[in-house]
Amino acid sequence: EAQVTQNPRYLITVTGKKLTVTCSQNMNHEYMSWYRQDPGLGLRQIYYSMNVEVTDKGDVPEGYKVSRKEKRNFPLILESPSPNQTSLYFCASSFVGRDTQYFGPGTRLTVL
Amino acid sequence: AQTVTQSQPEMSVQEAETVTLSCTYDTSESNYYLFWYKQPPSRQMILVIRQEAYKQQNATENRFSVNFQKAAKSFSLKISDSQLGDTAMYFCAFIDNYGQNFVFGPGTRLSVLP
Repeated sequence: EAQVTQNPRYLITVTGKKLTVTCSQNMNHEYMSWYRQDPGLGLRQIYYSMNVEVTDKGDVPEGYKVSRKEKRNFPLILESPSPNQTSLYFCASSFVGRDTQYFGPGTRLTVL
Repeated sequence: AQTVTQSQPEMSVQEAETVTLSCTYDTSESNYYLFWYKQPPSRQMILVIRQEAYKQQNATENRFSVNFQKAAKSFSLKISDSQLGDTAMYFCAFIDNYGQNFVFGPGTRLSVLP
């Protein structure tokens, strides 16, 4: 089954404790992206990757890191999480950026 | 930078009626792509419809159609014969021809009433 998977689905952590949210797709897509969703703001792009070893900042990259060492995986890293990073996070992928994006199920992150 | 605006935070419609959700965007590009995504209570993001700016014909998908007005930078979504399962958040989104930065609007919460 073609899909984008994210783990964990739910996470509660404390300020400053490094965490990684994994994202994997099995569709051989070149483009992958991370978004955060906050009430009243819609989805905002954090980082995107147009291919292996190629990553670029989106609209809200501060406090986040990503890597794209393999085509299928695109982890999101929070080196020192803060409460303002409490949000719902989505990973998405597509063949190229202007194609339809397929979204993962979302990760609900709470930083205390 | 591109921006996407959805001026209706919430809307409601009676089952079987027609409703139109509005979206405007700002860009200096001449070619780009526009999308409507649906997010039901399950939180899953689902593509509703996609429009390529260089195509003058409005995209349609079953009960869903768009009114794309390129000069006015408007991209509204019409849902015909509304069903209870259409209850969701609807997001308008834009990406340029280079396929890089994806920009979403703030969303419209649609409730379909029985």
